[in-house]
Amino acid sequence: KAGVTQTPRYLIKTRGQQVTLSCSPISGHRSVSWYQQTPGQGLQFLFEYFSETQRNKGNFPGRFSGRQFSNSRSEMNVSTLELGDSALYLCASSFRVSGGPDTQYFGPGTRLTVL
Amino acid sequence: QQQVKQSPQSLIVQKGGISIINCAYENTAFDYFPWYQQFPGKGPALLIAIRPDVSEKKEGRFTISFNKSAKQFSLHIMDSQPGDSATYFCAASMWTGNQFYFGTGTSLTVIP
Repeated sequence: KAGVTQTPRYLIKTRGQQVTLSCSPISGHRSVSWYQQTPGQGLQFLFEYFSETQRNKGNFPGRFSGRQFSNSRSEMNVSTLELGDSALYLCASSFRVSGGPDTQYFGPGTRLTVL
Repeated sequence: QQQVKQSPQSLIVQKGGISIINCAYENTAFDYFPWYQQFPGKGPALLIAIRPDVSEKKEGRFTISFNKSAKQFSLHIMDSQPGDSATYFCAASMWTGNQFYFGTGTSLTVIP
């Protein structure tokens, strides 16, 4: 099976712009989670989508939003970019084995630089 | 507030030595504790995981030790190799949950 793919891999934007990142989960996975990774902060949970519905949301401002399509592909949008939004944005897809934990499989990430 | 605290931030170990990374959590509802390994340019990958009903889990050179009363768990890498050089993240969630809380990561360098 192909792994989680994220596009683009690298992005450079300027303050005030908006950006859309894309994630294609592993075939058959219906849950997609997004994380922001920065040095010293580790992985911070943004939100999780399951069957096109946002199921969980982390403590990020409303400038961060996402959606999931019927084929489980997901997009994340950040509006009015700030310098502090520079980070590696990771997408993880998962499926749950009945009664077991949710095993997350991560993509390689999109490196966003805000100038 | 960081739900999972991880230390040290960086670690340098000689080849063949033991690498130890520690994590602590606050939420007693957590009952699933995975460790992830991340190489440069890659996303994190699940390495090993433990539930609090056991105090230790071993897979090859990797061992998780778990202390439920202290709300602490640690990763031990025995016979550390240069190929183990990576960033390691501990995490916590509920067994049936779908939200993971990650530590801040430990950058491990194994010197040949």
